[in-house]
Amino acid sequence: AQSVTQPDIHITVSEGASLELRCNYSYGATPYLFWYVQSPGQGLQLLLKYFSGDTLVQGIKGFEAEFKRSQSSFNLRKPSVHWSDAAEYFCAVGDTGGFKTIFGAGTRLFVKA
Amino acid sequence: SQTIHQWPATLVQPVGSPLSLECTVEGTSNPNLYWYRQAAGRGLQLLFYSIGIGQISSEVPQNLSASRPQDRQFILSSKKLLLSDSGFYLCAYVQGSYNSPLHFGNGTRLTVT
Repeated sequence: AQSVTQPDIHITVSEGASLELRCNYSYGATPYLFWYVQSPGQGLQLLLKYFSGDTLVQGIKGFEAEFKRSQSSFNLRKPSVHWSDAAEYFCAVGDTGGFKTIFGAGTRLFVKA
Repeated sequence: SQTIHQWPATLVQPVGSPLSLECTVEGTSNPNLYWYRQAAGRGLQLLFYSIGIGQISSEVPQNLSASRPQDRQFILSSKKLLLSDSGFYLCAYVQGSYNSPLHFGNGTRLTVT
């Protein structure tokens, strides 16, 4: 069965510093991968997605993610974090049936001044 | 444009009382619809999904049920709430093909007392 692991429950980064959030997936074939962001008390918003092609994917708000098949990873990065990026981030994978999305437990990002 | 409405935003209910959460989607037809529950530190748990009117798939045996009486309406119900039903409930839809991204509502915070 598909699964997603986000090893870091929370991360603290200084404003202006770079960010990398880790995500590992378990999937037998080429996965459909997503990153979502959730502000407190809100629903989730799609940051970016990977289906095929270029392994470096650009998203909204200056985020990017790199698909590495050999490492079963899809890490999210941002070169310079802003205070408004403080939120919870979820990595997700689409299942083989095409109807369901499996989410990781999430990583909460704190940004310090 | 497409929008998703979910209500109420917050709800406090006593143990043993019934529950009805409603979700509607505008600006699209025949979407796949989903109910997720989010518990702190545990990511998103898929509860139910529907690919058409009257078609409900249940992911986790529990005290809840779902119905889709109209194409763009998805309802989450319970006859008797348990303390363990407390959580943040998110409705989402997908419009499009295989493993398309989810679009989320703003969620309902349910507290069972």
